Amino acid sequence: DVQMTQSPSYLAASPGESVSISCKASKSISTYLAWYQEKPGKANKLLIYSGSTLQSGTPSRFSGSGSGTDFTLTIRSLEPEDFTVYYCQHYNEYPLTFGSGTKLEIK
Amino acid sequence: EVQLVESGGGLVQPGRSLKLSCAASGFTFSNYYMAWVRQAPKKGLEWVATISTSGSRTYYPDSVKGRFTISRDNAKSSLYLQMNSLKSEDTATYYCARHKDWYFDFWGPGTMVTVSS
Repeated sequence: DVQMTQSPSYLAASPGESVSISCKASKSISTYLAWYQEKPGKANKLLIYSGSTLQSGTPSRFSGSGSGTDFTLTIRSLEPEDFTVYYCQHYNEYPLTFGSGTKLEIK
Repeated sequence: EVQLVESGGGLVQPGRSLKLSCAASGFTFSNYYMAWVRQAPKKGLEWVATISTSGSRTYYPDSVKGRFTISRDNAKSSLYLQMNSLKSEDTATYYCARHKDWYFDFWGPGTMVTVSS
């Protein structure tokens, strides 16, 4: 199975700042990686797929990069609504697995 | 508007069974692979099952293989998850999700399953 190691688990930042979240795969997954946003009381939202392609409706301040085993989600100019939890997921093969999540908190 | 609404969760004793349902609307259900994903309390997300458009192909991780069965009724735009021999570690919120390729482009709000005596 492909293990996804996501870091950091917690991240504190201020509105207007930029942050990056890392996701490392235990073996090469090409660019078969998606990023999701989780908010309390709301359905999970797909942000990015294929490592760097923004899903329709995802604000342009979000970007994804990487291939192989190392991936990064970057959020520029943080907005108040961005302070929540983010997950990565590989889809290179079954079983599909997720990272452990990153909680982005307001500093 | 795509909508996925899960139902059927609740409290169940270890070893018993439970069947979850997901009502889909706002898209042509029969054109999409569908899945169940779960999240144990204070834990991350875990993929549980995927079913092909016709229902002829199903996929499971080892953690639920042989105990859980995913199925669908395209005429009713509904997805199901039959969970047998439930264990305490199956306690989680269960989400219905629509596949886009092998990731998930829409999710439901979830239904909570608690396995406890």
